[in-house]
Amino acid sequence: QVQLQESGPGLVKPSQTLSLTCTVSGGSINSDNYYWSWIRQPPGKGLEWVGYIYNSETTNYNASLKTRVAISIDTAKRQVSLRLTSVTAADTAVYYCARLSSDHDAFDIWGQGTMVTISS
Amino acid sequence: QSALTQPASVSGSPGQSITVSCTGTTSDIGSYNLVSWYQQYPGKAPKLIIYEVTERPSGVSDRFSGSKSGNTASLTISGLQAEDEANYYCCSYGGTATYVVFGGGTKVTVL
Repeated sequence: QVQLQESGPGLVKPSQTLSLTCTVSGGSINSDNYYWSWIRQPPGKGLEWVGYIYNSETTNYNASLKTRVAISIDTAKRQVSLRLTSVTAADTAVYYCARLSSDHDAFDIWGQGTMVTISS
Repeated sequence: QSALTQPASVSGSPGQSITVSCTGTTSDIGSYNLVSWYQQYPGKAPKLIIYEVTERPSGVSDRFSGSKSGNTASLTISGLQAEDEANYYCCSYGGTATYVVFGGGTKVTVL
């Protein structure tokens, strides 16, 4: 079955750029039915949608992050990437990669998440 | 502040039924039948348990059910079991301005 695995640095300095990768295995990454998403969860807090990419190039982002975030996809490597610039302590969170399927209109598959701490 | 409002906590005894509410606006829950619910255990990734307001994915217990009235969606857990103790999040499509909005989460405690 489809599995998602996030990877990237666990510690990023303030004002620098956070970069994460999600590797998709066991299923198609190319389908027009899938919106590849990033969702984050600060420690002890709720879920926050960051953004998604679909049709290989169309992106939508959370308005509060729009000026700092970019999501891209490399179908050959089967990877979805997240870049978040000018990070602060408020960006400290577990970052999840998730698939939003138009079959369910919901996030039906999630990665295990990766903790990113913003600190000098 | 989350876009969708959930109670911070709900509790019940084993065997009872409980309901978790999720209140939005006419821009999200009130306009679209695209509400989903997720169950999350501490330290684990969320799991989809309800989609499109009332639908259950394959493998999810039929003790979980969803509904919607106006701007408020609800998750009902019937025959409450110890394993249902977890955090629950609602989510809705929010139109082309917001796209995706989550609730703040509800901790369900089995007494």
